[in-house]
Amino acid sequence: RKEVEQDPGPFNVPEGATVAFNCTYSNSASQSFFWYRQDCRKEPKLLMSVYSSGNEDGRFTAQLNRASQYISLLIRDSKLSDSATYLCVVNYPSNTGKLIFGQGTTLQVKP
Amino acid sequence: DTAVSQTPKYLVTQMGNDKSIKCEQNLGHDTMYWYKQDSKKFLKIMFSYNNKELIINETVPNRFSPKSPDKAHLNLHINSLELGDSAVYFCASSLPGTGWEGNEQFFGPGTRLTVL
Repeated sequence: RKEVEQDPGPFNVPEGATVAFNCTYSNSASQSFFWYRQDCRKEPKLLMSVYSSGNEDGRFTAQLNRASQYISLLIRDSKLSDSATYLCVVNYPSNTGKLIFGQGTTLQVKP
Repeated sequence: DTAVSQTPKYLVTQMGNDKSIKCEQNLGHDTMYWYKQDSKKFLKIMFSYNNKELIINETVPNRFSPKSPDKAHLNLHINSLELGDSAVYFCASSLPGTGWEGNEQFFGPGTRLTVL
């Protein structure tokens, strides 16, 4: 089983749509969770951290379910500029700061 | 005013050659990383240094040797390049993890290595 699993997609949605991505992780001792965004031929950048109680940043909402070891990202009112690959990231529970990246889910927002 | 920079951006070379990639960060972070992103887009950690000390060394061929002259720089030297080394190599930096938590990592723009 992969340490962090995501559906690679692609997800093709029209502008204005709501889209949700899911991710599962294998190590129940992981403490830190993130969503990163990677544009084509660019470096990954932090989109948002994911907190136990769930958190929102504008049109983006992240949820964490520790019991199911499941993380989600919801994007409302999709914009063309949201087209990118979204990487689910989980820390490896050690004192090294190591992060484990999922394969990423590709989103294509169409006009 | 780049936070994490890498050189070169593109590297095309023949099999068997030796090459180096340089990375510098001006964020004042203590921890730096090298990642490899292959054609399937998986981003995998290779090495990590904390204040010039090696703390992560994943299962990487010993043809790959990182060097950290100071905490702002982490270079990657690759000997005897092979076709399978073709990938994008990203450098990153972060504050050190506290306990078992992870911190946001800031990535450089990547070095696209092509081995012919």
